Amino acid sequence: ETGVTQSPTHLIKTRGQQVTLRCSSQSGHNTVSWYQQALGQGPQFIFQYYREEENGRGNFPPRFSGLQFPNYSSELNVNALELDDSALYLCASSLDRYNSPLHFGNGTRLTVT
Amino acid sequence: QKEVEQDPGPLSVPEGAIVSLNCTYSNSAFQYFMWYRQYSRKGPELLMYTYSSGNKEDGRFTAQVDKSSKYISLFIRDSQPSDSATYLCAMSDSTSYGKLTFGQGTILTVHP
Repeated sequence: ETGVTQSPTHLIKTRGQQVTLRCSSQSGHNTVSWYQQALGQGPQFIFQYYREEENGRGNFPPRFSGLQFPNYSSELNVNALELDDSALYLCASSLDRYNSPLHFGNGTRLTVT
Repeated sequence: QKEVEQDPGPLSVPEGAIVSLNCTYSNSAFQYFMWYRQYSRKGPELLMYTYSSGNKEDGRFTAQVDKSSKYISLFIRDSQPSDSATYLCAMSDSTSYGKLTFGQGTILTVHP
């Protein structure tokens, strides 16, 4: 059984640029959620995708957007990067969109300079 | 005030000790409670998943939920150096799909 994989593992961007992060869900999982984890903090919910549609969103501005593809892989896009966007971005997949346990990937470490 | 409060520690214990990790929360709608372990430079790994109040045991780990007090705990028996990690509590209600609310995490070190 393949777990959740994310790419790239590390990324450095300049303020104002745009970034795309990628995630492959665990086999059999049709729901993906994205989280932002600042250093020394717990992860914060960005949004969830189910059947290619956004199914819930946390307190993040519209410049954070996502996509889910028919094979359940997903992308997180962040426009107009700010210094505070520097964080570990975690993707998690689950069996369904309700309260099935989330299984996380190892994240993408984004640094904005 | 944060919805979920977790003592960040750090917590340092000798090998073989019993470890107690705790979280308090303010949202009475939370019904699903989880504990995750996160090693350095890794993603969170699910340890325990419980619904509503009660106890759940899995090997050396025991999770307790007291909804009346809005308090959850994770106990680790016979702690090992490999248990050294950050432990995150997380919880959700039945309507916020996919949204877990996490505590800040407790850094645990088990020394030989």
